[in-house]
Amino acid sequence: GQNIDQPTEMTATEGAIVQINCTYQTSGFNGLFWYQQHAGEAPTFLSYNVLDGLEEKGRFSSFLSRSKGYSYLLLKELQMKDSASYLCAVKRNNRLAFGKGNQVVVIP
Amino acid sequence: DSGVTQTPKHLITATGQRVTLRCSPRSGDLSVYWYQQSLDQGLQFLIQYYNGEERAKGNILERFSAQQFPDLHSELNLSSLELGDSALYFCASSVGGETEAFFGQGTRLTVV
Repeated sequence: GQNIDQPTEMTATEGAIVQINCTYQTSGFNGLFWYQQHAGEAPTFLSYNVLDGLEEKGRFSSFLSRSKGYSYLLLKELQMKDSASYLCAVKRNNRLAFGKGNQVVVIP
Repeated sequence: DSGVTQTPKHLITATGQRVTLRCSPRSGDLSVYWYQQSLDQGLQFLIQYYNGEERAKGNILERFSAQQFPDLHSELNLSSLELGDSALYFCASSVGGETEAFFGQGTRLTVV
């Protein structure tokens, strides 16, 4: 939705590192959020970027480049419980618009 | 537990009917957001309220309406229901409009 692009699915091995990308239209940009959603459950907040650079939170890091309209979420030391959809959400004009999400499947 | 409460958890109703979904935001949160999530569409923003006033509107159909009450709980009313309205409806809340939103567990609506 609203020109937020995310790849649809990826598979990775337990213990590995995976990077999930998100590109968006830059007009009216006012912050970018990453959420994790397990099937049928509520999205849960992971990270927030409003300035350029890297935000690190434990095994998860998120990067933002405002000029490029680009963000990524880095998941390190993957665990089976990390199998979920990862949603990029852009705040613009008081709306939080979500991408369709990237499904990450973690295999042993 | 995010602190956002949605009721009911599940709802099955017939086409043409009207339903009301309820959301209680986290204590202290003034903003409430409603989202619809269907299998092929992802999370679609419907509407946002801030302290009782409508703040932003998304892809909300005319058959749908919402309000936020003085005690800050919100209701989403869906009328003349169609099969395509079957989806998960999420409510989220935040302190204001600039901080992260916390989601309720959703109401799964099935229209038959």
